[in-house]
Amino acid sequence: EPEVTQTPSHQVTQMGQEVILRCVPISNHLYFYWYRQILGQKVEFLVSFYNNEISEKSEIFDDQFSVERPDGSNFTLKIRSTKLEDSAMYFCASRTREGSTDTQYFGPGTRLTVL
Amino acid sequence: AQSVTQLGSHVSVSEGALVLLRCNYSSSVPPYLFWYVQYPNQGLQLLLKYTSAATLVKGINGFEAEFKKSETSFHLTKPSAHMSDAAEYFCAVSNSGNTPLVFGKGTRLSVIA
Repeated sequence: EPEVTQTPSHQVTQMGQEVILRCVPISNHLYFYWYRQILGQKVEFLVSFYNNEISEKSEIFDDQFSVERPDGSNFTLKIRSTKLEDSAMYFCASRTREGSTDTQYFGPGTRLTVL
Repeated sequence: AQSVTQLGSHVSVSEGALVLLRCNYSSSVPPYLFWYVQYPNQGLQLLLKYTSAATLVKGINGFEAEFKKSETSFHLTKPSAHMSDAAEYFCAVSNSGNTPLVFGKGTRLSVIA
């Protein structure tokens, strides 16, 4: 069964450093998402991406964040200058465009630890 | 704005007992409702979803949920718990499949032998 994959599974970085989290969505999917979950808190929406542009973003997704689909398979989330509060589990999700009831399929997540 | 409340961050049941995980939502428009499960070191897997069709929704692994508009609830149940059901369960709401999901905090289910 096709699945969303994410790399790395765990990333440790120093405050102020740039990180890139990578996702490979399911191959025929057209909508892509990033969510995050700070330890002990809710899973929160960051950004959605369709047709090579951001379709919606939350207040969390400030200028420090960017997303890109550099080729036909990868979908990346970049944090330019990480802060301690960016430590969280980051989930990528994707879905088809088969109708408004279609499901978002999630990857296993990348745990980001900012020291 | 939409929101989800999951009552109980941790629920513990005996093997073979009824599983009941509670979810209440708030939405100004007819909601789409979802239950996801996360097993250790894995991603979020869809258990079931409500999209304005039948109010009783059956999902994978014997789980089901009932949409009750009057109670703004979408509780998840399973008649008989298995050890393999131990996981984190998330309830989520959206306006449609196009909009981002709004999640609850999750409920960790433990199953005792």
